Amino acid sequence: AQSVTQLDSQVPVFEEAPVELRCNYSSSVSVYLFWYVQYPNQGLQLLLKYLSGSTLVKGINGFEAEFNKSQTSFHLRKPSVHISDTAEYFCAVSSYSSASKIIFGSGTRLSIRP
Amino acid sequence: DVKVTQSSRYLVKRTGEKVFLECVQDMDHENMFWYRQDPGLGLRLIYFSYDVKMKEKGDIPEGYSVSREKKERFSLILESASTNQTSMYLCATTGASGGNYNEQFFGPGTRLTVL
Repeated sequence: AQSVTQLDSQVPVFEEAPVELRCNYSSSVSVYLFWYVQYPNQGLQLLLKYLSGSTLVKGINGFEAEFNKSQTSFHLRKPSVHISDTAEYFCAVSSYSSASKIIFGSGTRLSIRP
Repeated sequence: DVKVTQSSRYLVKRTGEKVFLECVQDMDHENMFWYRQDPGLGLRLIYFSYDVKMKEKGDIPEGYSVSREKKERFSLILESASTNQTSMYLCATTGASGGNYNEQFFGPGTRLTVL
């Protein structure tokens, strides 16, 4: 079975500052990894995904994440945030054998201060 | 673009009522999912369906049932609503994986309040 831990429930940052949202996963098998974003009053949308290959993954809106197998981490980063990045971010994992079933973390609420 | 719609954005019901939440997708996807989202708990899978009339329990099926009579429509049913079922309910859909990853597409959510 897989599990996901998001280490921070809330992250406040100033506009134009860099941000890192932390995610660790646990699995005994090979996995796919994802970050989803949920803007206020909306459903989730895929921000980026790691399926295989390069461990540095680039997503929409200037976000990127790095898959670190030895540390079982998949942290999300952005070098300079904007007010429009205010949202809740979910890290998620699925296994190769059950790719349709996704396990979500508890979420990190990113708040941007002007 | 895939479109996933949910019948209501906000719903208020009374304890003991039977509640229907509907989800419709327009992309001919095989798999459909119902999650509930609660603060600090993320998304938890209630039920999913991989084909018409097929369903499987997720992690928290108690108090819920589902129906999938047509490929494009997946209904979540609360047989007798209780206050602890007050939550945000999200529907999602994806194509058949065949062992490969397929992106999940989400509806806008239904915020259900049970009084």
